[in-house]
Amino acid sequence: GESVGLHLPTLSVQEGDNSIINCAYSNSASDYFIWYKQESGKGPQFIIDIRSNMDKRQGQRVTVLLNKTVKHLSLQIAATQPGDSAVYFCAENSSPPSGGSYIPTFGRGTSLIVHP
Amino acid sequence: SAVISQKPSRDICQRGTSLTIQCQVDSQVTMMFWYRQQPGQSLTLIATANQGSEATYESGFVIDKFPISRPNLTFSTLTVSNMSPEDSSIYLCSVADTAKNIQYFGAGTRLSVL
Repeated sequence: GESVGLHLPTLSVQEGDNSIINCAYSNSASDYFIWYKQESGKGPQFIIDIRSNMDKRQGQRVTVLLNKTVKHLSLQIAATQPGDSAVYFCAENSSPPSGGSYIPTFGRGTSLIVHP
Repeated sequence: SAVISQKPSRDICQRGTSLTIQCQVDSQVTMMFWYRQQPGQSLTLIATANQGSEATYESGFVIDKFPISRPNLTFSTLTVSNMSPEDSSIYLCSVADTAKNIQYFGAGTRLSVL
């Protein structure tokens, strides 16, 4: 079946560096993508999203890039801080049936470790 | 955003017993979701719980093993029945903001089965 996956399970960076977390998806019908951050002992938390009609979206210190040609999604974190240490999940949604709700498919996750 | 409270936050249980996990939301929502997150893994949807109807289970999950209640628009429970060590996992409750297509999650219940 269709799936969402991540290239790297663990990413270690130094504080202040930029981090790039990658995600590959295979469902060409997906039209909405979300990045979630899960800190230890907590549930996933929304970071940023992007629709398929965009190729870039910026937030505070984070940027999501979407390349529909190769079905690739990335999350860039600028000036990474120790508080950014967490597991990051990408999730893909495709348009729900009429009246339905988006139910995302989550990728495996990448553990980001930030060294002070 | 929605604030979701899950209880218990963690538990250690004996095999063959059952555990009921509670999920309380601070606002009325139509759909609530239950996920399982095995150690080092991603989130797998167990079922979708609608108020006033039977829960909809995903492939690989059955009502006898994971009965769900949804008595009102702010509350749901998930029971893990006849537990085995393979059920050791984090169980997460979530709700969807349908306007923004974002899911909000509880902190999860960390279950260990001995």
